[in-house]
Amino acid sequence: NAGVTQTPKFQVLKTGQSMTLQCAQDMNHNSMYWYRQDPGMGLRLIYYSASEGTTDKGEVPNGYNVSRLNKREFSLRLESAAPSQTSVYFCASSESLRAGVSYEQYFGPGTRLTVT
Amino acid sequence: AQKITQTQPGMFVQEKEAVTLDCTYDTSDQSYGLFWYKQPSSGEMIFLIYQGSYDEQNATEGRYSLNFQKARKSANLVISASQLGDSAMYFCAIGGFTDKLIFGTGTRLQVFP
Repeated sequence: NAGVTQTPKFQVLKTGQSMTLQCAQDMNHNSMYWYRQDPGMGLRLIYYSASEGTTDKGEVPNGYNVSRLNKREFSLRLESAAPSQTSVYFCASSESLRAGVSYEQYFGPGTRLTVT
Repeated sequence: AQKITQTQPGMFVQEKEAVTLDCTYDTSDQSYGLFWYKQPSSGEMIFLIYQGSYDEQNATEGRYSLNFQKARKSANLVISASQLGDSAMYFCAIGGFTDKLIFGTGTRLQVFP
C-alpha cells in the first residue's frame, strides 16, 4: 500500500518547455488534488477532481491543465513553463465528498520543480 | 470564501513542555472541518488531527489536541510533552461544503533540548 505517489521527485525546465507531473493513489479515493507550495505562502490549490471524469479549478489554475485519467491517476501539465511556476507541487487524495463533511487529505511526497 | 490565519511565523519550545499553535478561521459555511498538518524538513505533509464544526468535544490524538472555540473562530493546536521530532512546519486548514481545503501560511516550531 504505497498511498499517494508522485513522479518525478525533481525536475528542471527551461522557460517555454512543457512537462507532465504524474500522481497515483491506491486508496480507492474518489477525490484528488494538485497544490503548489511557495515559501511563505502555504499550500494553494491548483486544480482538483471530485470524482473520475470531473475536474475543477482551484485558487491558482492559470498556466496549468489537468487530466483525471482514471480513478487512480491525476496528472498536472505545464504547457509552457515560466519561472513563476518554480515551486514544490503536491498531489493529494481523499475520501468521497459528503455534503458538509470534509475528509483529511493524504499527500504525496512532492515534486520540486525549477524553471530557469 | 474561507480563510485561515496563522499569526505565529515561528515558535520555540523546550523539550517536554507544552506548546500552543494558533489558528483562526473565517467561513460562511454552517458545516466545516478544521485540520492540522505537520511538514517536517523532509517535506512530506502529515495529517495530525481533525475537528468537525458540530463536534461538541475537542479532538485529541495522542499528544495532539485541538482547542476549538467556535464563537471565536479559533482552532488552536496544542502539543503536549514536546519532543525534538516535533520540530517542523505546522499548517492549519479548513474544508467546507466542497472538499477543497484552504491552508494557512504555517508556523515553524522549533523544539530545543
